[in-house]
Amino acid sequence: AQSVTQPDIHITVSEGASLELRCNYSYGATPYLFWYVQSPGQGLQLLLKYFSGDTLVQGIKGFEAEFKRSQSSFNLRKPSVHWSDAAEYFCAVGLYHNTDKLIFGTGTRLQVFP
Amino acid sequence: KAGVTQTPRYLIKTRGQQVTLSCSPISGHRSVSWYQQTPGQGLQFLFEYFSETQRNKGNFPGRFSGRQFSNSRSEMNVSTLELGDSALYLCASSLKGGGTEAFFGQGTRLTVV
Repeated sequence: AQSVTQPDIHITVSEGASLELRCNYSYGATPYLFWYVQSPGQGLQLLLKYFSGDTLVQGIKGFEAEFKRSQSSFNLRKPSVHWSDAAEYFCAVGLYHNTDKLIFGTGTRLQVFP
Repeated sequence: KAGVTQTPRYLIKTRGQQVTLSCSPISGHRSVSWYQQTPGQGLQFLFEYFSETQRNKGNFPGRFSGRQFSNSRSEMNVSTLELGDSALYLCASSLKGGGTEAFFGQGTRLTVV
């Protein structure tokens, strides 16, 4: 069955430090891949997406992610974290070309210390 | 361009009642999906509608139902509410269903007491 794993439940970093959030997926073909961010009590905001092509994708707020087929991974990175980046981050897989159904990981809560 | 609008934002209902949640997608978007978010189960897919037809359904009991209107607006209904139905219900819209990104609304926080 298709699944998404985010192995880190909670990550704490200092402001200005670099960040990498891990995401692994299980799927028989190359899926569509997404990262969303959620602030407390809010909906999900799309950070970036990968459909095909260049495996390094740029998103909003200075985030980027790299698709590695051999590792079934789609890790999210940011070179310098800002206090406003504190939120929960979800990796998601879109399964087919004719549906919008998303399978989400369990999320990683990011805490940023000044 | 207005985003995805969900109403109401907050609801408190009693066990056994029913509830209807509404979602207005981004103008021009034809696909609407619904998700349930709880601390224990995370984000779970409920169902997806495209051009007024349900295309996919998640693993939820029949108490959960939905529909989509000709203007792409969607409603979901939960009958005979249980305490475990307390959750944040999120609606997402996309342009054409499949191969495009989904944009989420702010959600409806349902509390069942």
